[in-house]
Amino acid sequence: QQPVQSPQAVILREGEDAVINCSSSKALYSVHWYRQKHGEAPVFLMILLKGGEQKGHEKISASFNEKKQQSSLYLTASQLSYSGTYFCGTEKANRDDKIIFGKGTRLHILP
Amino acid sequence: DAGVTQSPTHLIKTRGQHVTLRCSPISGHKSVSWYQQVLGQGPQFIFQYYEKEERGRGNFPDRFSARQFPNYSSELNVNALLLGDSALYLCASSLAVNTGYTFGSGTRLTVV
Repeated sequence: QQPVQSPQAVILREGEDAVINCSSSKALYSVHWYRQKHGEAPVFLMILLKGGEQKGHEKISASFNEKKQQSSLYLTASQLSYSGTYFCGTEKANRDDKIIFGKGTRLHILP
Repeated sequence: DAGVTQSPTHLIKTRGQHVTLRCSPISGHKSVSWYQQVLGQGPQFIFQYYEKEERGRGNFPDRFSARQFPNYSSELNVNALLLGDSALYLCASSLAVNTGYTFGSGTRLTVV
């Protein structure tokens, strides 16, 4: 039931683009994306709802393919501040009020 | 505006003891969720409360319990602590389940 994230880790140079994927074995109602920096709490980036998509931040966007039960987070022209661990959280289509998080994708941006 | 506040920030307990963790949500947020995060892993869902009612429970033993008060603050209780309960416990509040969560800074629990 835990969503699967890929890749597990990625290293980029500043200005490069990255894509982080999140897939579920269950039909989904929503997908959340969060970023957590070392020693800090996760910070909400955006939520994508069934039948729609919300863009939370400039240069950070996401898509939600309900049929494939997948979501992807796109980071464009990455900045040093983008470094951290990215988590997707999913709620099943039956609206069971549980947001289940994946194991995370560690992103490191080099200058 | 105050964010989600959790107390205490750090706690050391002995195996077999009981612990109570507290969370105050953002003003106006009626939903509170609790997560356990072990180093290097994603947050693991423990409980979700909305309007003082339990709306979701994760795969945690009955030693874990929680409640939400009329002012929407919440407590997480863990009985008969085990070494494996050592983790960062995060509280998150939201207006509703299908809106983004705001996480508190967490309570770092160490069981010795």
